[in-house]
Amino acid sequence: ETGVTQTPRHLVMGMTNKKSLKCEQHLGHNAMYWYKQSAKKPLELMFVYNFKEQTENNSVPSRFSPECPNSSHLFLHLHTLQPEDSALYLCASSQDDAGLNTGELFFGEGSRLTVL
Amino acid sequence: KQEVTQIPAALSVPEGENLVLNCSFTDSAIYNLQWFRQDPGKGLTSLLLIQSSQREQTSGRLNASLDKSSGRSTLYIAASQPGDSATYLCAVASDRGSTLGRLYFGRGTQLTVWP
Repeated sequence: ETGVTQTPRHLVMGMTNKKSLKCEQHLGHNAMYWYKQSAKKPLELMFVYNFKEQTENNSVPSRFSPECPNSSHLFLHLHTLQPEDSALYLCASSQDDAGLNTGELFFGEGSRLTVL
Repeated sequence: KQEVTQIPAALSVPEGENLVLNCSFTDSAIYNLQWFRQDPGKGLTSLLLIQSSQREQTSGRLNASLDKSSGRSTLYIAASQPGDSATYLCAVASDRGSTLGRLYFGRGTQLTVWP
């Protein structure tokens, strides 16, 4: 496989469920990101991982819990979500060596989450 | 905080027309600017990336220009085709010491090209 792969593509969950979104990148990048795309807002950054270390948390509620076990895999653990959390969750990766790269981001197809 | 605005929000044109999509941003301290395409229910596909030191980039029928000092970028699509129908997103990366992947997005221009 090539590029950035996200699973599942679609997820429906109740507010008391616990689920996880998975992202895998096959580009040899060292930085991975979670972005959220909801109907009424522009795409917004949630989390950044650089060399497996979380470098940014964009004031995301604790019901979203990221995990990055290695530079190729990124998870987003979900628990006790609210209906307003329904959105498209996009994973992206880049080579984030400052000054040595273009900063180009590559996105996955996204996971469409519906919270009932 | 960086604000990115895209005009128009929607555009519907007949096949064959040349198009201009506009993007403006409030903070000129950018590292780069990217144009993406998003098909319904899909992820983002990178179209063009312009570094802050560059003025334009071209790929096939697409040409993107950047005027950093005035906070503007345009995406020019030549000889539009129905397959170009999608939402086009503009995003900028800040040059203020933050992670390069921290992009600020506009709301997009929804383009429909009819046969």
